[in-house]
Amino acid sequence: ILNVEQSPQSLHVQEGDSTNFTCSFPSSNFYALHWYRWETAKSPEALFVMTLNGDEKKKGRISATLNTKEGYSYLYIKGSQPEDSATYLCASTAQGGSEKLVFGKGTKLTVNP
Amino acid sequence: NAGVTQTPKFQVLKTGQSMTLQCAQDMNHNSMYWYRQDPGMGLRLIYYSASEGTTDKGEVPNGYNVSRLNKREFSLRLESAAPSQTSVYFCASRALGIRTMEQYFGPGTRLTVT
Repeated sequence: ILNVEQSPQSLHVQEGDSTNFTCSFPSSNFYALHWYRWETAKSPEALFVMTLNGDEKKKGRISATLNTKEGYSYLYIKGSQPEDSATYLCASTAQGGSEKLVFGKGTKLTVNP
Repeated sequence: NAGVTQTPKFQVLKTGQSMTLQCAQDMNHNSMYWYRQDPGMGLRLIYYSASEGTTDKGEVPNGYNVSRLNKREFSLRLESAAPSQTSVYFCASRALGIRTMEQYFGPGTRLTVT
């Protein structure tokens, strides 16, 4: 079973701050890394799926990077807004097990106006 | 498109009762999944179905059975519910192919077993 760790567990920032958080995963046998955004009382929604070392993806003010050799991914939010408040989940899959996502426990972000 | 739908939204069971959670998707996706979400834990995979007619165990399959009724529907059955199965259950689906790996989640079913 993969062990996917996310840090910090929770984060409070002020509106306009930029922030980032980390996902670490086993680098051996890596296949793909997913980021999901999960707002309270809603369902998780996919942000990014990355497979290649050095991958960078961007969606609006949110971007992510991937280092498969050392087993980590960063999610960045530039100029945080209150509507960015959510739990951000990362999940990893291994080679031969692309159907089996293993999720971290998430980073809960609160953006104060 | 409704996306991924789940029924019921809420359910309370007594220990030993059985029930089936229903999931359907209208996106013509090949793969479907059942997860459970517990406080302090990440989403954990219970069972998945990579295609119609196939099902496989995930991380926490004990106490559950699944049926991939057709391409659209994937049900999760609790034969004899236990308090440890109190959780929020999410169904998800995804399309076939390495370029479409993101999963689409349903709204969840909150189950309480007393």
